[in-house]
Amino acid sequence: QLVLTQSPSASASLGASVKLTCTLSSGHSTYAIAWHQQQPEKGPRYLMTLNDDGRHSKGDGIPDRFSVSSSGAERYLTISSLQSEDEADYYCQTWGSGPHVVFGGGTKLTVL
Amino acid sequence: EVQLVESGGGLVQPGGSLRLSCAASGFTFSSYGINWVRQAPGKGLEWVSVISGSDGATDYADSVKGRFTISRDNSKNTLYLQMNSLRAEDTAVYYCAKEAGGAASVFDIWGQGTMVTVSS
Repeated sequence: QLVLTQSPSASASLGASVKLTCTLSSGHSTYAIAWHQQQPEKGPRYLMTLNDDGRHSKGDGIPDRFSVSSSGAERYLTISSLQSEDEADYYCQTWGSGPHVVFGGGTKLTVL
Repeated sequence: EVQLVESGGGLVQPGGSLRLSCAASGFTFSSYGINWVRQAPGKGLEWVSVISGSDGATDYADSVKGRFTISRDNSKNTLYLQMNSLRAEDTAVYYCAKEAGGAASVFDIWGQGTMVTVSS
């Protein structure tokens, strides 16, 4: 079964960097991942995709402070030079069959 | 500007029905798959349903299969979600989300959401 696992929370200081992790379930380690940001009381916003060939693509207007990488079954979203507006929930997402789309449980990022 | 705007949410009794709409603008609506995603209060995102742009093929999460129906009217640039036999656990903010195109189901545009509350 295709499952994405995220840590429930993370924190980092203003101006620092943070690396959020999304882990693919066994047997699905080559899947592509998309990342979405949800600021408080707002709808989600697409950030970027890390494809299975290592290439990535960004959503419109997403700053270069956001980057993606991977290692084995783990997919990472790194945010550098943290700003107060980066305080949000971050969801990873993938796709396949049964179900069509899967989300991770989300990571709540606190900027200290 | 590429935009999705949901409407139709509200309070409904258990066992009742509701139809949500998602109005699209700023892109060729008929060319893209569109999804419904929901978020229960204080919880994460849950995929609900998809309808393809090319042939109108549909798919549903097991939790709503047989109760919800997704459809689209390309002449009106509008997506719908007919929700029947509603349960308390269907209470959530419902978002529509546009796929970026190609083989990948990446959601590159989201709406602002509409709240559905199922309660007596």
